[in-house]
Amino acid sequence: DVKVTQSSRYLVKRTGEKVFLECVQDMDHENMFWYRQDPGLGLRLIYFSYDVKMKEKGDIPEGYSVSREKKERFSLILESASTNQTSMYLCASSSLPGDGNTIYFGEGSWLTVV
Amino acid sequence: GIQVEQSPPDLILQEGANSTLRCNFSDSVNNLQWFHQNPWGQLINLFYIPSGTKQNGRLSATTVATERYSLLYISSSQTTDSGVYFCAVRRTGRRALTFGSGTRLQVQP
Repeated sequence: DVKVTQSSRYLVKRTGEKVFLECVQDMDHENMFWYRQDPGLGLRLIYFSYDVKMKEKGDIPEGYSVSREKKERFSLILESASTNQTSMYLCASSSLPGDGNTIYFGEGSWLTVV
Repeated sequence: GIQVEQSPPDLILQEGANSTLRCNFSDSVNNLQWFHQNPWGQLINLFYIPSGTKQNGRLSATTVATERYSLLYISSSQTTDSGVYFCAVRRTGRRALTFGSGTRLQVQP
């Protein structure tokens, strides 16, 4: 059974803290993604990675960075958390684009910044 | 970037009713997928349907790529169909999906 695992389901952090959200996939996928989900806005792409140590900015990268040192692991970093980063964060992975390409999501990480 | 609009934003149904969800997109795409997000946040892929029609049980989807829209049909709805339905598209040459804002469906017993 395919799996994308996000290490933390619920987190509460203080303003200014450095926050790490970890994601691991077991499907040997090349592509990994971080989205954030907010009510009425759907999912918005923060960053994605198409290979180890490779990354590209998505639509809302400000305030975030990412790290992909191993193929199976993709980390999202909030260098200095702010209250407007309170959201649900979803990690996903997929194989190379192609016909029938399917993306798999983790269960999400609910982050509250106080 | 590409715009993805879903309608209606909210929908309340009685169990057993049928419904149609719509997704309009602003540019040509080579990938269109429908997802269901359950009340616990898990997103599950329902259909990969860049064009044509597919059916899976009580659900079916149609994409008319030339007119830039897709429809998701839910027949004989059940309470377990509740949740948020997302349409997502990808333009040729791009790696990431762009999501619509979703349709929140509530099926009442």
